[in-house]
Amino acid sequence: QVQLVESGGGLVKPGGSLRLSCAASGFTFSDYHMSWIRQAPGKGLEWLSYISISGSTIYYADSVKGRFTISRDNAKNSLYLQMNSLRAEDTAVYYCASHYESTAYSDYWGQGTLVTVAA
Amino acid sequence: SYVLTQPPSVSVAPGKTARIICGGNNIGSKSVHWYQQKPGQAPVLVIYYDTDRSSGIPERFSGSNSGNMATLTISRVEAGDEADYYCQVWDSSTDHYVFGTGTKVTVL
Repeated sequence: QVQLVESGGGLVKPGGSLRLSCAASGFTFSDYHMSWIRQAPGKGLEWLSYISISGSTIYYADSVKGRFTISRDNAKNSLYLQMNSLRAEDTAVYYCASHYESTAYSDYWGQGTLVTVAA
Repeated sequence: SYVLTQPPSVSVAPGKTARIICGGNNIGSKSVHWYQQKPGQAPVLVIYYDTDRSSGIPERFSGSNSGNMATLTISRVEAGDEADYYCQVWDSSTDHYVFGTGTKVTVL
């Protein structure tokens, strides 16, 4: 069955870095565009970044542009999010999600990984 | 930036109809997708392209979109429908996804 499994979350100090991974299985990863979305505790969903199938098209939310970098490795069926200069307000559950159609709905979601930014 | 506004909460009795509004400037010109999120779980796609039901979603769930308002309608509400619901669009003017503020549906 389709699975997206995020990993790499944890506790990090303000100003620190973290790299999240999203491992895909049960579908042809290289047929899907991908996104990262986060949800702060008790808050709503916030889209962060999108990457096309080939990686040639990338978009970022203003809140993370210049600090976060999305990438993918289709040979490893994996999506990544490099997060630098982390702030307390980056504390959230981070989800990866797939899009079969470009810039359309998210058909599959992972279960999320928690990132806590605190001293 | 494009903003999607939803009521924070909607309460409905079992068997009745719940309507969740998603307001946005000329949202009728965009494709709207809806997600259901239960506590401690990841979101699940419910409705895509305004009116299409995702696989496994009951026919009780339907969507519409026109003018400045999109609507998710849940007919014959059941206790298991209690969840947060989010609308989503792609804003091509900024190349950003936008999520609505979310609506908590409570079944009385």
